[in-house]
Amino acid sequence: LAKTTQPISMDSYEGQEVNITCSHNNIATNDYITWYQQFPSQGPRFIIQGYKTKVTNEVASLFIPADRKSSTLSLPRVSLSDTAVYYCLVGDGRTYKYIFGTGTRLKVLA
Amino acid sequence: EPEVTQTPSHQVTQMGQEVILRCVPISNHLYFYWYRQILGQKVEFLVSFYNNEISEKSEIFDDQFSVERPDGSNFTLKIRSTKLEDSAMYFCASSGGTLTSNEKLFFGSGTQLSVL
Repeated sequence: LAKTTQPISMDSYEGQEVNITCSHNNIATNDYITWYQQFPSQGPRFIIQGYKTKVTNEVASLFIPADRKSSTLSLPRVSLSDTAVYYCLVGDGRTYKYIFGTGTRLKVLA
Repeated sequence: EPEVTQTPSHQVTQMGQEVILRCVPISNHLYFYWYRQILGQKVEFLVSFYNNEISEKSEIFDDQFSVERPDGSNFTLKIRSTKLEDSAMYFCASSGGTLTSNEKLFFGSGTQLSVL
């Protein structure tokens, strides 16, 4: 299984760009990288997914280097409502067992 | 956007009792999952289910747990004899395919299980 490692917590201020990096050294060739956001007492919610290079959607960007051993979620101009836990998840095509890591607790300050 | 729905939102039970947590996955999805989250801790994988059988399960998913898809829409998690340490938020999820096929997990809003 491709284990993921992320910083436990980060603080930022409103309006700043936040970058959260996830390490996944043993990612498999067919695995996609997916990021989820979780607010207290809610289920994780999909943010963005990518395989390589850069992916951008209306809420975030995902940067994946050529070796795919890490990925960086970029949140532009965060607001207080972006305070949440962010998880990266690596799909394991060999099983149907998707393991969440400890996640990164982002706190956005006014 | 389509949703995974879970019922009930809260369940209180006595230790030793059986509970059934219910989920309605997104209608055209094929893969179903249960996760749990103890307060303040990370989301833990319990079990995945495909083609009417368990695909994978974690060490948490022991003989006290079972899953079933009794009809074409519901997906249930049963805990036969609840323990205090089963108290957690239980999340159901579904996907159209595996995460190697550019799919994503859709999660329900969870059932908060409290075992007294």
